[in-house]
Amino acid sequence: QVYLQQSGPGLVKPSQTLSLTCVISGDSVSSNSAAWNWIRQSPTRGLEWLGRTYYRSRWYHDYAVSVKTRIAINPDTSKNQFSLQLNSVTPEDTAVYYCARWYSGSRDSFDIWGQGTLVTVSS
Amino acid sequence: DIVMTQSPLSLPVTPGEPASISCRSSQSLLHSNGYNYLNWYLQKPGRSPQLLIHLDSNRASGVPDRFSGSGSGTDFTLKISRVEAEDVGVYYCMQALEIPFTFGPGTKVDIK
Repeated sequence: QVYLQQSGPGLVKPSQTLSLTCVISGDSVSSNSAAWNWIRQSPTRGLEWLGRTYYRSRWYHDYAVSVKTRIAINPDTSKNQFSLQLNSVTPEDTAVYYCARWYSGSRDSFDIWGQGTLVTVSS
Repeated sequence: DIVMTQSPLSLPVTPGEPASISCRSSQSLLHSNGYNYLNWYLQKPGRSPQLLIHLDSNRASGVPDRFSGSGSGTDFTLKISRVEAEDVGVYYCMQALEIPFTFGPGTKVDIK
């Protein structure tokens, strides 16, 4: 059974950095069959895919154009987890943030989701 | 980016009756391997989205067989043969063909 456990602050000040962590159990961040994603959900933007990291002989990263200049998603193999950093946040970044596993091949879908973290950007 | 639309956006249902949700994409989701890269998710109140259907018509593990997906190209349908009270929530379609992955606006299903 695969689980994703999220952690991180629920309140971030404008212009600061949003940081969240997703701990993986039951799978490996270095899996050749998975990609590790961050998705957010807000009333105004709905479900929005932010980016992913995955390992296929080397590490790859892909990011949504809307956040490309401000985002970093990094794996931590020693702790079997991955993280999200979103810089220079504004109130528009207020959302519920989810980490999710993308399983390649027979499923090609987000099959496992974290519990979600509500992040509010406010002074 | 591929734009996903859904209809209806709100769907009151009667337990035991069938229900159907439509999803349309702005470009074909048919991959050269013959699969349509369209997934369906259900977000129950207060919960994270959960995978229902992947690659157009394949039920995820543990999903009851009253749920079925169909379609091809740009037009897809999720059907519930007999709605149960536990099926309430918001249903999303999502294109899995290319990044950025994009979701529909959601269809809220509740009991009449």
